[in-house]
Amino acid sequence: DAGVIQSPRHEVTEMGQEVTLRCKPISGHDYLFWYRQTMMRGLELLIYFNNNVPIDDSGMPEDRFSAKMPNASFSTLKIQPSEPRDSAVYFCASRRYNSPLHFGNGTRLTVT
Amino acid sequence: AQKITQTQPGMFVQEKEAVTLDCTYDTSDQSYGLFWYKQPSSGEMIFLIYQGSYDEQNATEGRYSLNFQKARKSANLVISASQLGDSAMYFCAMREGRGAAGNKLTFGGGTRVLVKP
Repeated sequence: DAGVIQSPRHEVTEMGQEVTLRCKPISGHDYLFWYRQTMMRGLELLIYFNNNVPIDDSGMPEDRFSAKMPNASFSTLKIQPSEPRDSAVYFCASRRYNSPLHFGNGTRLTVT
Repeated sequence: AQKITQTQPGMFVQEKEAVTLDCTYDTSDQSYGLFWYKQPSSGEMIFLIYQGSYDEQNATEGRYSLNFQKARKSANLVISASQLGDSAMYFCAMREGRGAAGNKLTFGGGTRVLVKP
């Protein structure tokens, strides 16, 4: 059984550029979460979806961040325009109802 | 107030010995779940063990056990017979409430464990 798949593993971009992070959840999981990990703030929940519908986006830092889930097997997190303070590891995670969260390997984003 | 507190930023443990990682939590909900995750240097987050607030027995998974003390609001992770591969960051997390509110995991700041040969 394939785990949560994220791409790219590493992304280096210049300030002002658009960045798109991708996630394929585990098949059959109906919840999908986007987390951000930094040294200063630890692991923060950005947004989560249930059955492809965004449920809670209160953790999204600002309007530069947007997330979509067009179908059960794909989600994107977009940052436009990117800023150096967005540099972090971004994790996608998925689960079934009442089961543990399974994380992808993360995308390490560096904005210069 | 911090929902999840891990007071040990880092610790050393001798190979083959047991180690206890502290975690205290803060919630007014009666229904909640506590989780431990391991993050090795490669970066992935690995689920280790789960304890539900209504579970009467402490959770165990192989060499991992959770010392759940509800009245003290603590959920310490015990790793027995430490191995070199246990060197990693360990995160305690909590899911509160039911329904939509029970979907979010809040993480502690983590404890870095280094196992010495």
